[in-house]
Amino acid sequence: EAGVTQSPTHLIKTRGQQATLRCSPISGHTSVYWYQQALGLGLQFLLWYDEGEERNRGNFPPRFSGRQFPNYSSELNVNALELEDSALYLCASSRIHSAFFGQGTRLTVV
Amino acid sequence: DQQVKQNSPSLSVQEGRISILNCDYTNSMFDYFLWYKKYPAEGPTFLISISSIKDKNEDGRFTVFLNKSAKHLSLHIVPSQPGDSAVYFCAASSVNSGGSNYKLTFGKGTLLTVNP
Repeated sequence: EAGVTQSPTHLIKTRGQQATLRCSPISGHTSVYWYQQALGLGLQFLLWYDEGEERNRGNFPPRFSGRQFPNYSSELNVNALELEDSALYLCASSRIHSAFFGQGTRLTVV
Repeated sequence: DQQVKQNSPSLSVQEGRISILNCDYTNSMFDYFLWYKKYPAEGPTFLISISSIKDKNEDGRFTVFLNKSAKHLSLHIVPSQPGDSAVYFCAASSVNSGGSNYKLTFGKGTLLTVNP
């Protein structure tokens, strides 16, 4: 059984551009969580999607947005990139009490 | 509002000794708790979990203890090994207010360093 897959693994963007990160959950998992881990910090909760709807949102500006598709895969979009958006972005898929993470997308904004 | 708190950002122990990582929570609706381990530049990996109907769960060198009255859980690693050096995240799960969605809430993590 495939685990949570994230793409791309690395992404380099210029300040002001937009970034799109993708996540495919484990088969049968309907919830997807997005987290940001900036250098030296813990996991910062970004977004939670379940059954195609946004269920909760962390304390991030509106330029961080996303969606969940009918097949439960998800996209995270970051508009108007700023240097401090450089971080490891992690996706986790969950069903009931289980949650498993992907390997993350390393976003670098230059 | 930090509902899951890991108050120690770091912990250093000697190889062979016990490592104790602590986690406190405030939401009494949490009914399932998980620990994750994370190496740099990788996604967290699931380690061990415990249901609120139990007070202890053991898996090899890892034991999780739950004290519901104190809203406190701890992860014990015995004996600690250098390969255990990583960031450990505590997480708690509860049914969302709608009654059908399980929301997962993470603490900010504790960096464990096991010295040879």
